[in-house]
Amino acid sequence: GAVVSQHPSWVICKSGTSVKIECRSLDFQATTMFWYRQFPKQSLMLMATSNEGSKATYEQGVEKDKFLINHASLTLSTLTVTSAHPEDSSFYICSARDGQGDTEAFFGQGTRLTVV
Amino acid sequence: GQNIDQPTEMTATEGAIVQINCTYQTSGFNGLFWYQQHAGEAPTFLSYNVLDGLEEKGRFSSFLSRSKGYSYLLLKELQMKDSASYLCAALDSNYQLIWGAGTKLIIKP
Repeated sequence: GAVVSQHPSWVICKSGTSVKIECRSLDFQATTMFWYRQFPKQSLMLMATSNEGSKATYEQGVEKDKFLINHASLTLSTLTVTSAHPEDSSFYICSARDGQGDTEAFFGQGTRLTVV
Repeated sequence: GQNIDQPTEMTATEGAIVQINCTYQTSGFNGLFWYQQHAGEAPTFLSYNVLDGLEEKGRFSSFLSRSKGYSYLLLKELQMKDSASYLCAALDSNYQLIWGAGTKLIIKP
């Protein structure tokens, strides 16, 4: 299957700082990438959908000014958590698809963010 | 609203068979996915069904009934490494994935 690389795998940052997470599709062009957040023992929660070259579509309740998403190319999307707080500590996962319809979603490895 | 239901937790014995059920209610339907997720890791793809019936892939099989809004994942010859959460996700009319909360499968020797 296709490979999606997410970096970093884990990060610890101080409260008030910003953290950038990268998601790359290595062997296909991802016109659409998805960013999820998962709290312990809970389901994946979609945060936003990003389409290459356009603004991301955020789910209800997700602050667009806090979670900045950039999808500048067909192989790279970034999520920046700005002014992070301890409640932002979570597992963040990106996903990409190389087409619409019944194509499976390929996931990055996930990023464990801990804000202290 | 859109909803996916699956059991929270199941326990099975090594070498046995287990069936994890999933029911869904979505705005339109374009297929159903099963993913496996080990603790602290991202989900990995197991199967995709869009037509009614059973899809077999090694020790894992997935079944879909569109008229009943129902799917199951069947795991045979269980191994300890199969201990994980199994996520059911339906693709709605906008091709968005609607996720279940996952079923934690515990395998006992």
